[in-house]
Amino acid sequence: KAGVTQTPRYLIKTRGQQVTLSCSPISGHRSVSWYQQTPGQGLQFLFEYFSETQRNKGNFPGRFSGRQFSNSRSEMNVSTLELGDSALYLCASRPTSTSGGRNEQFFGPGTRLTVL
Amino acid sequence: GEDVEQSLFLSVREGDSSVINCTYTDSSSTYLYWYKQEPGAGLQLLTYIFSNMDMKQDQRLTVLLNKKDKHLSLRIADTQTGDSAIYFCAERGNSGGYQKVTFGTGTKLQVIP
Repeated sequence: KAGVTQTPRYLIKTRGQQVTLSCSPISGHRSVSWYQQTPGQGLQFLFEYFSETQRNKGNFPGRFSGRQFSNSRSEMNVSTLELGDSALYLCASRPTSTSGGRNEQFFGPGTRLTVL
Repeated sequence: GEDVEQSLFLSVREGDSSVINCTYTDSSSTYLYWYKQEPGAGLQLLTYIFSNMDMKQDQRLTVLLNKKDKHLSLRIADTQTGDSAIYFCAERGNSGGYQKVTFGTGTKLQVIP
């Protein structure tokens, strides 16, 4: 199976702009989670989508939003970019959001966003 | 809320054993995971342990879980330069009926040749 893919891999934007990141999960996985990784804050959970619905949400401002499509692909949008939004944005997929078993997350390579 | 803590940095000599520690607060944790992140890459699952186990061994990796103290450790035997990376501990608990995974801050392992 192909792994989790994220596009683009690198992005440079300026303050005030908006950005959309894309994530394609592993085939058959219906849950997609997004994380922000920065040197100072570590790995911070943004949100999780399952069957096109947001299931969990982290503690981020409303400028951060996402959605999931019927084919489980997900997009994340950040509006009115700030310098502090510079980070590696990681997407992870897993089979479901509620079942038992290992149900481990598989991560994509990330999108490196730089805000100037 | 749930919290997972790790030391930020560990330096070992090649051939020695590395022990990376993690503490968590969520008593409803079911699975605990160790992920490895190499520079410029995403996170790769190394191993996991179910919460009713005390120990799990997988080749050079040994995971120890003290559920009473909510303490998890990862031991890497015969550490190699290729083991240099950031290691994340993560715990899976329940949040409003749905599973939620909380990650630690990551421990940067430096292996000195």
